Amino acid sequence: DAMVIQNPRYQVTQFGKPVTLSCSQTLNHNVMYWYQQKSSQAPKLLFHYYDKDFNNEADTPDNFQSRRPNTSFCFLDIRSPGLGDAAMYLCATSRDRWLTNEQFFGPGTRLTVL
Amino acid sequence: KQEVTQIPAALSVPEGENLVLNCSFTDSAIYNLQWFRQDPGKGLTSLLLIQSSQREQTSGRLNASLDKSSGRSTLYIAASQPGDSATYLCAVRDNDMRFGAGTRLTVKP
Repeated sequence: DAMVIQNPRYQVTQFGKPVTLSCSQTLNHNVMYWYQQKSSQAPKLLFHYYDKDFNNEADTPDNFQSRRPNTSFCFLDIRSPGLGDAAMYLCATSRDRWLTNEQFFGPGTRLTVL
Repeated sequence: KQEVTQIPAALSVPEGENLVLNCSFTDSAIYNLQWFRQDPGKGLTSLLLIQSSQREQTSGRLNASLDKSSGRSTLYIAASQPGDSATYLCAVRDNDMRFGAGTRLTVKP
């Protein structure tokens, strides 16, 4: 089945230790998104890629970076995680950036910062 | 700035009951609205997508309606089952995609 895959499902890191979260998709979609969701809160968009074009949300901290080496993969890098970065990180895709397109989500990676 | 509200934050019903979840948004200039289901500690599963030109969408026991002019959408779940227990989120798409905080539904056997 075509899908959005996130690895790992659970990630534990230490305060200040860089961490990378991975997302891959078999849908061949052009757009990939990263969201941060804290407990009992709405998901918040961090950034998205339209093909190789990176689009950062204005209030996304510089501590968060992203890479998309090819259509299938997208990475979220947190350069120096703080306790406040503990959250569920959700990857999503859509076929194109047309605003009518549906978004499909992966299972998420839960990040714990010690 | 678009704001999306879901009330109530939590809802508990007995099995078999029909129920309605509510979503409201402040700016009616949207392209679509999407309803998701989220199980604890899991990602989001898309349930229904309603384009701005549509009034409702149906999938099985689920029916979602959209009233753009009043800034409201409802998700109707018929004959609820314990397996329907989850958090239900709505998201509106304007130039961004904005989520509500969700309604946590518990269906008791």
